[in-house]
Amino acid sequence: DAMVIQNPRYQVTQFGKPVTLSCSQTLNHNVMYWYQQKSSQAPKLLFHYYDKDFNNEADTPDNFQSRRPNTSFCFLDIRSPGLGDAAMYLCATSLGLSPGYNEQFFGPGTRLTVL
Amino acid sequence: AQSVTQLGSHVSVSEGALVLLRCNYSSSVPPYLFWYVQYPNQGLQLLLKYTSAATLVKGINGFEAEFKKSETSFHLTKPSAHMSDAAEYFCAVTTNTGGFKTIFGAGTRLFVKA
Repeated sequence: DAMVIQNPRYQVTQFGKPVTLSCSQTLNHNVMYWYQQKSSQAPKLLFHYYDKDFNNEADTPDNFQSRRPNTSFCFLDIRSPGLGDAAMYLCATSLGLSPGYNEQFFGPGTRLTVL
Repeated sequence: AQSVTQLGSHVSVSEGALVLLRCNYSSSVPPYLFWYVQYPNQGLQLLLKYTSAATLVKGINGFEAEFKKSETSFHLTKPSAHMSDAAEYFCAVTTNTGGFKTIFGAGTRLFVKA
């Protein structure tokens, strides 16, 4: 089955220790998104890639970076995690950005704990 | 700018009762609307979407939503709740302000009582 895979499902890191979250997709979609979701809140878009074009949300902290080495993979790097970065991180994909093509398919998420 | 408002952060129904989750949108152009469901410790899953074809949209798991332009609403319903419907539900709209983006509502948590 075509799907969006996130690894690991649970990640524990120490305050200030860099961490990388991984997302892969078998849908061959053009767009990949990273969301941060805190408890009982809506997902908050951090950034997205359309192919190799990176689009950062204006309020995404510099502490968050992303890489998309190929169509299938996208990584979220948190350079110096703070306690406030503890959250669920969701990866999603869509065929395109415009209506009719922007239905998003989500991975199961990675729950990040910062000690 | 387009946005969605979900009325009620928590809704509780008895098993077998009608489920009604409310979503109102704000849009100056014909909106593209979505309902997503999120089960605990999982990602979001698309329930249904409105893309201006039909005002009554049927989705998965027996859910449906009706687009009402006069009320700027896109409420989600299910005739008979099941215990497995307990989850968080998000309404979303596609915006077109400096590029297309999907904006999620704050979510409504559905509790189903036995």
